[in-house]
Amino acid sequence: QVTLKESGPVLVKPTETLTLTCTVSGFSLTNARVGVGWIRQPPGKALEWLAHIFSNDEKSYSTSLKSRLTISKDTSKSQVVLTMTNMDPVDTATYYCARIQGTTPVRWFDPWGQGTLVTVSS
Amino acid sequence: SYVLTQPPSVSVAPGQTATITCGGNNIGDKSVHWYQQKPGQAPVLVVYDDSGRPSGIPERFSGSNSGNTATLTISRVEAGDEADYYCQVWDITMIFGGGTKLTVL
Repeated sequence: QVTLKESGPVLVKPTETLTLTCTVSGFSLTNARVGVGWIRQPPGKALEWLAHIFSNDEKSYSTSLKSRLTISKDTSKSQVVLTMTNMDPVDTATYYCARIQGTTPVRWFDPWGQGTLVTVSS
Repeated sequence: SYVLTQPPSVSVAPGQTATITCGGNNIGDKSVHWYQQKPGQAPVLVVYDDSGRPSGIPERFSGSNSGNTATLTISRVEAGDEADYYCQVWDITMIFGGGTKLTVL
C-alpha cells in the first residue's frame, strides 16, 4: 500500500523558514520515473502546485514562489523535504505531498498525503 | 502560463447527471486529470489521462477531452458525490483549475 505523510510545524512566525517533510512508504524514491510533489491549499481556496522532484533528482518549482522554495530528497529515509523561506500570513494553508504517476507529458498525483495545516502568525 | 478555467459551482439533483467542465487553450492536446475533494479531506484522483478510471472509482465517473474543453461527467449522482472537483494538466509544470463545487440538491 502506497502512503505519504506530511510532517512539520503547525505554527510559524512571519519571516521564518518552513521545513516540511513527506515520508513515503510502499514505493521507493529511487524507482525510475517516480516523483513526489508538494501542493498547498489556503483555507477555502483552490489547490496550488508548489514543487516536485523525480528519482533522477530533476526538480521543478512554481514560478511565483521559486525564489523561496527548495525541494530535496533523502532516499535512505524515504523522505522528500520542502523548505519555504520568508513565511507570510498569506502562506497559511494545508500543505500536501503526493506521488506523481505517469510519464511526461502525462503526469498526475496519486495518492495524496493527508495534509498538514500550517498557520503563519506572530 | 497555461490557465485552466472551471465553473465555480454546479448543482444537480440526485440520480441526474453532473457535468463539470475545464477550459483551456487547445486543452484537447493535453492529458487532463480530475480530483475529488470532500470537506476536510485530501484530494482523490477520480479520472486520469482524460478518461482513465483508477481502481476503486465507480464507473459513474467518466471523462472526455476535446478542443478547448475537458469534461468530467458523473452519472446517477449520489449525495456522497458532493465535493469540490479540480482538473489538472502538465504544461512544463503542474497546473490546477480553480475548482468546482458540486452541490447535490
